Amino acid sequence: EAQVTQNPRYLITVTGKKLTVTCSQNMNHEYMSWYRQDPGLGLRQIYYSMNVEVTDKGDVPEGYKVSRKEKRNFPLILESPSPNQTSLYFCASTQGGVAGRNNSPLHFGNGTRLTVT
Amino acid sequence: KQEVTQIPAALSVPEGENLVLNCSFTDSAIYNLQWFRQDPGKGLTSLLLIQSSQREQTSGRLNASLDKSSGRSTLYIAASQPGDSATYLCAVAVPKAAGNKLTFGGGTRVLVKP
Repeated sequence: EAQVTQNPRYLITVTGKKLTVTCSQNMNHEYMSWYRQDPGLGLRQIYYSMNVEVTDKGDVPEGYKVSRKEKRNFPLILESPSPNQTSLYFCASTQGGVAGRNNSPLHFGNGTRLTVT
Repeated sequence: KQEVTQIPAALSVPEGENLVLNCSFTDSAIYNLQWFRQDPGKGLTSLLLIQSSQREQTSGRLNASLDKSSGRSTLYIAASQPGDSATYLCAVAVPKAAGNKLTFGGGTRVLVKP
């Protein structure tokens, strides 16, 4: 089954304790992206990757890191989490990019709810 | 900067009524527009994608129109069912030169009453 898998689904941590949220897709998609969703602010892009070893900042990259060493994986790293990073996080992927040649839809994972105390 | 707005934020209709959901965007230089559905506790599911050169797309009971010049898209859901209750989001894709990203609206939360 074609899917985007995020882990964990729920995570509670304390300020300053490094954490990684994993994201994997099995559709051989070139483009992957991380979003956070907050009440009243909607979905905002954190980072995206056009392909292996190619990453770029989205609208709210501060406090986050990403890496794209393999095509299928795109982990989100919070080196020193803070309470303002408490949010619902989504990973997504598509073939060719959201404005790419294939105009293919974006596939989302089920989300990771992060709480930083 | 592209801004996407969805009004109303919430909508309640009786079963069987047609749903009309609105999406407006400020910059007409879009590559495509997508409509998504989000169920509580779940990720987003793509419903329809309209390329900038298209005027509409249809899938089953769903029909989405796009008017780039006026910066508007409308999602029509015919003969609504309780299972259509969800939050519906629209998103516009900007060209690669502008960052190759999607800008999302805030969503419309729909409740279809039996």
